[in-house]
Amino acid sequence: GQQLNQSPQSMFIQEGEDVSMNCTSSSIFNTWLWYKQEPGEGPVLLIALYKAGELTSNGRLTAQFGITRKDSFLNISASIPSDVGIYFCAGEGGSGGSNYKLTFGKGTLLTVNP
Amino acid sequence: DTGVSQDPRHKITKRGQNVTFRCDPISEHNRLYWYRQTLGQGPEFLTYFQNEAQLEKSRLLSDRFSAERPKGSFSTLEIQRTEQGDSAMYLCASSPLSTNEKLFFGSGTQLSVL
Repeated sequence: GQQLNQSPQSMFIQEGEDVSMNCTSSSIFNTWLWYKQEPGEGPVLLIALYKAGELTSNGRLTAQFGITRKDSFLNISASIPSDVGIYFCAGEGGSGGSNYKLTFGKGTLLTVNP
Repeated sequence: DTGVSQDPRHKITKRGQNVTFRCDPISEHNRLYWYRQTLGQGPEFLTYFQNEAQLEKSRLLSDRFSAERPKGSFSTLEIQRTEQGDSAMYLCASSPLSTNEKLFFGSGTQLSVL
């Protein structure tokens, strides 16, 4: 099925550093979402983006919906140890999928060294 | 806690046995979804309900899988004659009718088939 390409696959950073990860697709989506998943838990929604070019922040997190509607990025500023987890991008609607179900990337594993 | 609730959290079974998982969505959420997640992958769509109607099933959902949402509230996912390849995290999510792309996930049921 349709897959989103997420990069990098993993990151190992020092506390206080900024982080950037992105997601690309060959198809366009109407909505981009970013989730965080911790071990043994379900994904938790961080940010939802609805319009091409939209830039949205949630605390230290900032995400953008790419102009082409085929990509999105997530930035985390001043990382802290509790940012550790797997970050997933997900697309909804458009030519990439149906209007009610999400297509997920494979995730970016973030490790923060205190 | 009024989030999505899944039971059990973990299930270990022998190949060939039947298993059933339960999901209680956020109350008044019309849409309910089942996803499956294997190690190193993002969640993959299995099936979707709007109220009690099952509106779509993925090709991933073989005839050994059946999902129900009899009264439009909780849902069950049954796997008959389990196989080792069924080992995965089974995630349930729900969303209100007005913002169908904002899925709220439960903590999942981790299935291990021996």
